[in-house]
Amino acid sequence: NAGVTQTPKFQVLKTGQSMTLQCAQDMNHEYMSWYRQDPGMGLRLIHYSVGAGITDQGEVPNGYNVSRSTTEDFPLRLLSAAPSQTSVYFCASSKGGAGLAGGTDTQYFGPGTRLTVL
Amino acid sequence: GNSVTQMEGPVTLSEEAFLTINCTYTATGYPSLFWYVQYPGEGLQLLLKATKADDKGSNKGFEATYRKETTSFHLEKGSVQVSDSAVYFCALSTTSGTYKYIFGTGTRLKVLA
Repeated sequence: NAGVTQTPKFQVLKTGQSMTLQCAQDMNHEYMSWYRQDPGMGLRLIHYSVGAGITDQGEVPNGYNVSRSTTEDFPLRLLSAAPSQTSVYFCASSKGGAGLAGGTDTQYFGPGTRLTVL
Repeated sequence: GNSVTQMEGPVTLSEEAFLTINCTYTATGYPSLFWYVQYPGEGLQLLLKATKADDKGSNKGFEATYRKETTSFHLEKGSVQVSDSAVYFCALSTTSGTYKYIFGTGTRLKVLA
């Protein structure tokens, strides 16, 4: 198993550009999520999905879109990049799906994407 | 709302010293509690977890006990090694509505030989 994979590892954008951060998992996990990690802020939840076709907002969703057309993939789209979106982005997955049943499950994290917006 | 508060770092210790990293939480219901570790340049990985009050999670010499009465989940290790140098995150999963994970700000640990 490759686990959770993310591409690219590094990206530099100019203000106003758009891009998609890719995330895929091969563990047949229902729950997937995107976080951003900023110094002194820890990890903050951007969007999450409890299964294919179901997504919801996290703590800091503005400026980001997601979709979940398959169980395996959960791309994160930056619509018009801003310097405030400079961060390290982590994708994670866990077994549980909708409802509370998966709340005890371990999350598995990808290696991260370091994004700089100039 | 739900939140996790961790002690500020960095924490610098000598090898074989005793480690405590404090974590307290605010949550409705009965959350599950987690400690994740992030080594330099890597993503987070689970260190240990506890899913109900008085449970003790343990792994690699680290321990934490779910204390509902003090809403705490402090991480301890009796004798740290240089290889334990990393950032440690306390987290909970909410039990109101569809669950979500909430992370603390992380505590950086540096162990000196």
